[in-house]
Amino acid sequence: GENVEQHPSTLSVQEGDSAVIKCTYSDSASNYFPWYKQELGKRPQLIIDIRSNVGEKKDQRIAVTLNKTAKHFSLHITETQPEDSAVYFCAPMGSNFGNEKLTFGTGTRLTIIP
Amino acid sequence: DTGVSQDPRHKITKRGQNVTFRCDPISEHNRLYWYRQTLGQGPEFLTYFQNEAQLEKSRLLSDRFSAERPKGSFSTLEIQRTEQGDSAMYLCASSSTQRTLGYEQYFGPGTRLTVT
Repeated sequence: GENVEQHPSTLSVQEGDSAVIKCTYSDSASNYFPWYKQELGKRPQLIIDIRSNVGEKKDQRIAVTLNKTAKHFSLHITETQPEDSAVYFCAPMGSNFGNEKLTFGTGTRLTIIP
Repeated sequence: DTGVSQDPRHKITKRGQNVTFRCDPISEHNRLYWYRQTLGQGPEFLTYFQNEAQLEKSRLLSDRFSAERPKGSFSTLEIQRTEQGDSAMYLCASSSTQRTLGYEQYFGPGTRLTVT
């Protein structure tokens, strides 16, 4: 099965600075790469995703980059705000359409320091 | 609310009892997933359905667990003879296989199970 690791496991960033979280996966057949944000006591929410035929995708302050050869993808958050504090999970998937099972990473707890 | 809903939100039960959870997906979604999340960990896949057909089950899903989606709409997850190790958040998600609706999985609020 898919082996998924995230680094770092915890990250503290000054408000306004950037944060980068890296996800490494093992299954070379993975074709869909989403990032989920989970606030304390709440459901995971999809914040951005990318498919294997794209190297980078950006949505306002959030971006995802993919290196399929090296089997890793990263979440980039710029101009961080206190509401970005949460646990972030990557969840690579074998389907190109994102509608099969997700294999979640170990999670990264991001804390934004005001 | 047109999102994924789950019921109950919290369940406390004694070891050895049976429990059943319900998930109502987004109405246009034909795929429904169950995940389990323990404290400090990411969600782990349990099983998923396309319409009423159960397409995959994880090895995590022991014989005490059973899931159904009889009419291809809501789903139930039953745990028989609960054990303390079953204590977790049980999350449901749904998605569509239609390109026009997007393929992303959307999660419900979860059912938190505590086995005493």
